[in-house]
Amino acid sequence: DQQVKQNSPSLSVQEGRISILNCDYTNSMFDYFLWYKKYPAEGPTFLISISSIKDKNEDGRFTVFLNKSAKHLSLHIVPSQPGDSAVYFCAALEAAGNKLTFGGGTRVLVKP
Amino acid sequence: SQTIHQWPATLVQPVGSPLSLECTVEGTSNPNLYWYRQAAGRGLQLLFYSVGIGQISSEVPQNLSASRPQDRQFILSSKKLLLSDSGFYLCAGRDVSYEQYFGPGTRLTVT
Repeated sequence: DQQVKQNSPSLSVQEGRISILNCDYTNSMFDYFLWYKKYPAEGPTFLISISSIKDKNEDGRFTVFLNKSAKHLSLHIVPSQPGDSAVYFCAALEAAGNKLTFGGGTRVLVKP
Repeated sequence: SQTIHQWPATLVQPVGSPLSLECTVEGTSNPNLYWYRQAAGRGLQLLFYSVGIGQISSEVPQNLSASRPQDRQFILSSKKLLLSDSGFYLCAGRDVSYEQYFGPGTRLTVT
């Protein structure tokens, strides 16, 4: 049973436009959410996170939105740049939990 | 901030041979440590995690084992590799914050 799902395996966007990545979860015990970016043959790098007590967190070009009632979060990248082309994973953590639960990833391609 | 070191970067091993991948952590004490595997075109699968020396939790039954002989050392092992063990292996660490930090990964090809 996948508790964290990224239903779009891939996304293509023009440089300068907005990229919107979506993530849904089923476990109501999750209270902290993270986004990671991964290039091929490299380890994932942490991008941005959000606590369940917030509905928005912004860091430069990256904004994460959380809708707890819908059990949905999204990552907005504005403006998208060619260097943003990578696989993005969302992840969730239960309160006092020890392990992240990852979604399957969304491959983003930013076209120049 | 913590830094995760992994080696080797790439490894080609024959079926039936043993495996030992090492991960060390720098810049923090008593971290939680994790081993993940990413098969080609797939997501991240958690294999093992450890909350302290000698403490190992296994997430999936498999041909692999893990050990934590020191606070900042995490080892992934196998006595006999299978073809299905091929993949990209990632070590990660987490301290008091929520974020996990990943190492550069090891690409294992079992032939």
